[in-house]
Amino acid sequence: GAGVSQSPSNKVTEKGKDVELRCDPISGHTALYWYRQSLGQGLEFLIYFQGNSAPDKSGLPSDRFSAERTGGSVSTLTIQRTQQEDSAVYLCASSYSRGDEAFFGQGTRLTVV
Amino acid sequence: KQEVTQIPAALSVPEGENLVLNCSFTDSAIYNLQWFRQDPGKGLTSLLLIQSSQREQTSGRLNASLDKSSGRSTLYIAASQPGDSATYLCAVSGQAGTALIFGKGTTLSVSS
Repeated sequence: GAGVSQSPSNKVTEKGKDVELRCDPISGHTALYWYRQSLGQGLEFLIYFQGNSAPDKSGLPSDRFSAERTGGSVSTLTIQRTQQEDSAVYLCASSYSRGDEAFFGQGTRLTVV
Repeated sequence: KQEVTQIPAALSVPEGENLVLNCSFTDSAIYNLQWFRQDPGKGLTSLLLIQSSQREQTSGRLNASLDKSSGRSTLYIAASQPGDSATYLCAVSGQAGTALIFGKGTTLSVSS
């Protein structure tokens, strides 16, 4: 596609439910990143995929968070047993290769009620 | 652990002024530095990418410089316009081309 696509754009869920957020990177981009942006806060790194290498999961805040990337393309971020503090905008980015210019999607605004 | 700081946190200027946004980082062993802008409720738009071997990059009215040894970058905006109002974010990636680490941004308001 022309850019990084994220879905849904907005998600409201009840506390304790699981949610899945999807990211479609730019075609041909081997690097994919997930970030979280809470109200008034900076971008918090969550996880980074580079080609077929093991992902860098060092930013995941708890074991309720996981992500996978199928076929080196689409990625899904899963949050289990959501908590109110998980409410944030979740941003995905991709780049042609590691260290190249990163392009961001419009984000998914997650609200846990 | 890499930390990125942006000063000032907020800036208000009248239209037409030239201005400088500052970014500093604690670990000078970076792979590259990227400047983004973020409009309210939107994702990030890439403005400029500076590789660690470069000193500056220019795009239109924007000029970004990099002094890796001192851990500093500046974004210069010439002849500011109301449409430049946004939050500007600086991010660095490590030597191994690891994920970008972001500063908290500078929120710019340009009044007409």
